[in-house]
Amino acid sequence: AQKVTQAQTEISVVEKEDVTLDCVYETRDTTYYLFWYKQPPSGELVFLIRRNSFDEQNEISGRYSWNFQKSTSSFNFTITASQVVDSAVYFCALSAALLSSGSARQLTFGSGTQLTVLP
Amino acid sequence: DTGVSQDPRHKITKRGQNVTFRCDPISEHNRLYWYRQTLGQGPEFLTYFQNEAQLEKSRLLSDRFSAERPKGSFSTLEIQRTEQGDSAMYLCASSLFRLRNTEAFFGQGTRLTVV
Repeated sequence: AQKVTQAQTEISVVEKEDVTLDCVYETRDTTYYLFWYKQPPSGELVFLIRRNSFDEQNEISGRYSWNFQKSTSSFNFTITASQVVDSAVYFCALSAALLSSGSARQLTFGSGTQLTVLP
Repeated sequence: DTGVSQDPRHKITKRGQNVTFRCDPISEHNRLYWYRQTLGQGPEFLTYFQNEAQLEKSRLLSDRFSAERPKGSFSTLEIQRTEQGDSAMYLCASSLFRLRNTEAFFGQGTRLTVV
């Protein structure tokens, strides 16, 4: 069974502050993918990043960065210098990587974190 | 536009009526997924297709729900005898699967309200 926990239900920051969104996951799969999606008020889920479980190198992409720690099953996401347009619900998600896994075909989502960036 | 499109965006129906939603995936994507999202929750998996074959269904998908993907292109999700508990956002996503799955791209969803 897979589970994704996003303990922060709501976060408010002032524009230009950095903000980190937490994600903790559970899985029995040895290889898996982790994702972050953004859902603005329009409703569409927008893909942001994907990480493979076998590559723990953390990266930065523009104002986004992520910290993947396999030892603590965490996959935190940071937005640097937040902007009002970053206001949205952010979802962490997990899927197995191997075809032999029953959950390789679907994403398991957390319950989301509502981020509000105030001007 | 090459994104995933869903129609309609909003649907209000009376309890007991049947409704049908349509999803057009990204054209080269061979996998298509349906998810359901209720207020304040993350999306929950319902079913998925690889080409025209429906390969997996969640236990959330009751007998009143049926999905099709004729010819491996667009897909429809039908809910028969709607109940108030069916009120939710229904999201469609597509991805390209070769040796491994790639990230899924989502449409804007169909918001269903059953009154």
